[in-house]
Amino acid sequence: EAQLLESGGGLVQPGGSLRLSCVGSGFTLSTYWMTWVRQAPGKGLEWLANIKQDGSQKYSVDSVKGRFTISRDNAKNSLYLQMNSLRADDTALYYCGRSHVVDLWGQGTMVTVSS
Amino acid sequence: DIQMTQSPSSLSASIGDRVTITCRASQDIRNSLAWFQQRPGKAPKSLIYATSTLQTGVPSRFSGTGSGTDFTLTITSLQPEDFATYYCQQYNIYPLTFGGGTKVDIK
Repeated sequence: EAQLLESGGGLVQPGGSLRLSCVGSGFTLSTYWMTWVRQAPGKGLEWLANIKQDGSQKYSVDSVKGRFTISRDNAKNSLYLQMNSLRADDTALYYCGRSHVVDLWGQGTMVTVSS
Repeated sequence: DIQMTQSPSSLSASIGDRVTITCRASQDIRNSLAWFQQRPGKAPKSLIYATSTLQTGVPSRFSGTGSGTDFTLTITSLQPEDFATYYCQQYNIYPLTFGGGTKVDIK
């Protein structure tokens, strides 16, 4: 069964950094675009970024450009989100998703930005 | 950015009802429209892509129609497990954007 498992969330102070990881199992991650989506508490879904199979193309929403970086390591079946200069409004549940149009979602990892 | 507007934002329905949710894009997105379901406390689940193509395993009571700027998700004969929030998403132009969601609850 194909699955995604996120990790790396936690409590961080404003201005701090976190690196989220997402490991895929039951499928070959290297053959898919991969995506990050977040959901602030009680709010809707927000698309953040995606990355092509070989990492040669990356796209992201303006609100995270220059602060968040999406990357992948296909040998480890893994996707990453490096988050720097974190702000209170980055507090959310972060999901990784398989494919450009997500067809498989992880369970999410919670990021709380607070002093 | 393309704005996706869903209506209604919430609705109440009974088991067996037919439910229709509308999603409008601020510009033409052709048929690049997906629908997702999110039950309370759970991760989203993918329902439909390319406006009307069901993801594997999605029951046939779900259907999608539309093109250009106006799209609909229809659930025929609502089931207990269908009470959830539904989101549309356009993937024609970056940044990809979601609608605000439609919460379907029990009447």
